[in-house]
Amino acid sequence: GDSVTQMEGPVTLSEEAFLTINCTYTATGYPSLFWYVQYPGEGLQLLLKATKADDKGSNKGFEATYRKETTSFHLEKGSVQVSDSAVYFCALIISGGSNYKLTFGKGTLLTVNP
Amino acid sequence: NAGVTQTPKFQVLKTGQSMTLQCAQDMNHEYMSWYRQDPGMGLRLIHYSVGAGITDQGEVPNGYNVSRSTTEDFPLRLLSAAPSQTSVYFCASSSPDRGHKTQYFGPGTRLLVL
Repeated sequence: GDSVTQMEGPVTLSEEAFLTINCTYTATGYPSLFWYVQYPGEGLQLLLKATKADDKGSNKGFEATYRKETTSFHLEKGSVQVSDSAVYFCALIISGGSNYKLTFGKGTLLTVNP
Repeated sequence: NAGVTQTPKFQVLKTGQSMTLQCAQDMNHEYMSWYRQDPGMGLRLIHYSVGAGITDQGEVPNGYNVSRSTTEDFPLRLLSAAPSQTSVYFCASSSPDRGHKTQYFGPGTRLLVL
């Protein structure tokens, strides 16, 4: 079946540090890939997405590139801020057809200290 | 647009009680789903619906019922609450979005079963 594996947390960084959160996947079909962010006490918000190989999703300074050859979708940000402290979820969905099931990784807690 | 709304935000139940978690969306999305979020488990799909009158089970459907009488509403019913159902519940909706199925989440309902 489909699965998403993301790096174990928690991750603690100082402000302005570089962030990488690794995400790899296995999929039964051709997936679209997503990063969702959950700020404390809130629901999930779509951070970025990529729908085909070599696409780069970007938003709020975060980037992730869809790498089909390595089945990866690592999240990066060049300079994190305290306000980026949140839980980050990598997810996939199989494109096309009638399957709408999102498969999530377990989430990575990021804490950014001033 | 209000997007996806959920009520209540918090609820405490006693074992054996029943309740309905409400979910509504005003984006005319065909697809709606319910997830539960538990520590270290990511999000797991409970039930989903691809349109009014059509529902199906996800990964963890036991103890939950759903119905979809309108496009806008997708309530989740707990018939006899158990402590194992203590969790945070998220509703999501999606349109085909040119085949890429981006899902939008509500703010969540925190449920404690004593």
